[in-house]
Amino acid sequence: ILNVEQSPQSLHVQEGDSTNFTCSFPSSNFYALHWYRWETAKSPEALFVMTLNGDEKKKGRISATLNTKEGYSYLYIKGSQPEDSATYLCASPDSGAGSYQLTFGKGTKLSVIP
Amino acid sequence: KAGVTQTPRYLIKTRGQQVTLSCSPISGHRSVSWYQQTPGQGLQFLFEYFSETQRNKGNFPGRFSGRQFSNSRSEMNVSTLELGDSALYLCASRPDPGRNQPQHFGDGTRLSIL
Repeated sequence: ILNVEQSPQSLHVQEGDSTNFTCSFPSSNFYALHWYRWETAKSPEALFVMTLNGDEKKKGRISATLNTKEGYSYLYIKGSQPEDSATYLCASPDSGAGSYQLTFGKGTKLSVIP
Repeated sequence: KAGVTQTPRYLIKTRGQQVTLSCSPISGHRSVSWYQQTPGQGLQFLFEYFSETQRNKGNFPGRFSGRQFSNSRSEMNVSTLELGDSALYLCASRPDPGRNQPQHFGDGTRLSIL
């Protein structure tokens, strides 16, 4: 079972602030890194799937970078808005029996204060 | 396209009983995974099914079992319920269990054990 860690555990920012948080994963036998957003009372939603070292993905004000050699990924939110309040999860696939099960970190809970 | 559908949404059981949860994946998705979410533990992988075969199983006791039908619908069963089984159970589907395939989650079944 992979060890996927996220920091910080929670974060409070003012509306308009930019913020970022970290996902750490084992750099050996790397397959991919997934990011999800989980809003309260909704289901987790996939944001990005990243596979290559140096990968950078962007979706609106949210972007992510990947460093597979050192085993970390950053998620950035530019100009945070109240609707960005959610728990952000990262996950890394682990190979077994012909499929790639996802091991999730415990998430970073972001609260954007209006 | 309809999303992942889980039934029931809420369930209350007592210790010692058994429960069956149902999941209908997105049309065309043949991989279904189950996760347990408890406070402080994050999403814990239970098992993944693909083409009616269990491909991976997480570190859960044998009381937790599942199956997948030929139409890709999946059920999860928990026997001899314990208080610690109280959790949100999420089902997720994807076209196949490849490492780059993001999970599409249902809204979950909230199970409470009295």
